[in-house]
Amino acid sequence: SQTIHQWPATLVQPVGSPLSLECTVEGTSNPNLYWYRQAAGRGLQLLFYSVGIGQISSEVPQNLSASRPQDRQFILSSKKLLLSDSGFYLCAWSVLNTEAFFGQGTRLTVV
Amino acid sequence: GENVEQHPSTLSVQEGDSAVIKCTYSDSASNYFPWYKQELGKRPQLIIDIRSNVGEKKDQRIAVTLNKTAKHFSLHITETQPEDSAVYFCAATGNTGGFKTIFGAGTRLFVKA
Repeated sequence: SQTIHQWPATLVQPVGSPLSLECTVEGTSNPNLYWYRQAAGRGLQLLFYSVGIGQISSEVPQNLSASRPQDRQFILSSKKLLLSDSGFYLCAWSVLNTEAFFGQGTRLTVV
Repeated sequence: GENVEQHPSTLSVQEGDSAVIKCTYSDSASNYFPWYKQELGKRPQLIIDIRSNVGEKKDQRIAVTLNKTAKHFSLHITETQPEDSAVYFCAATGNTGGFKTIFGAGTRLFVKA
């Protein structure tokens, strides 16, 4: 069966520090991978999505970047965090035109 | 770019009443429309979905309708219960840009006992 792992679950980082959130998927090949951000009480904003290794599409200009070094690994990064980067980050995967499965999420607080 | 609008942003109903959430999408290539429920502090999980070749789908107390011509779809929850209280998201996926899934802004549903 397919599973998705996202870590860490919570993170408190100072302004200006770097960020690396990792997501891995098991049990499927060549999934579509997504990073979403959810501000408190708000909707899901698509940040990045990837249809294959090294293929990253950015949806909104921002202080973040994403990489897909392996088929089932998706990494969200920042060189210098801003206060506005705080939020709940969700990784997700899907295959073709089907349901998206979400990781447990990372609650990031930038202080 | 692709966009999904969702209304209302909050909805409060009495236990036993029905709740309806509506969404519209902009990308005419969209052909898969899932609905997710997110409880507080947890990940969104699929509750029902519909494909563009179907106009209506029902699963016990929840149903979804799709009007492709008007590009809108709706979630209907009947006989609401307090445990239905959560945030509900609609989404649209199509083969534009590699089956990218775009979500609506969410509806916070409160079911009062």
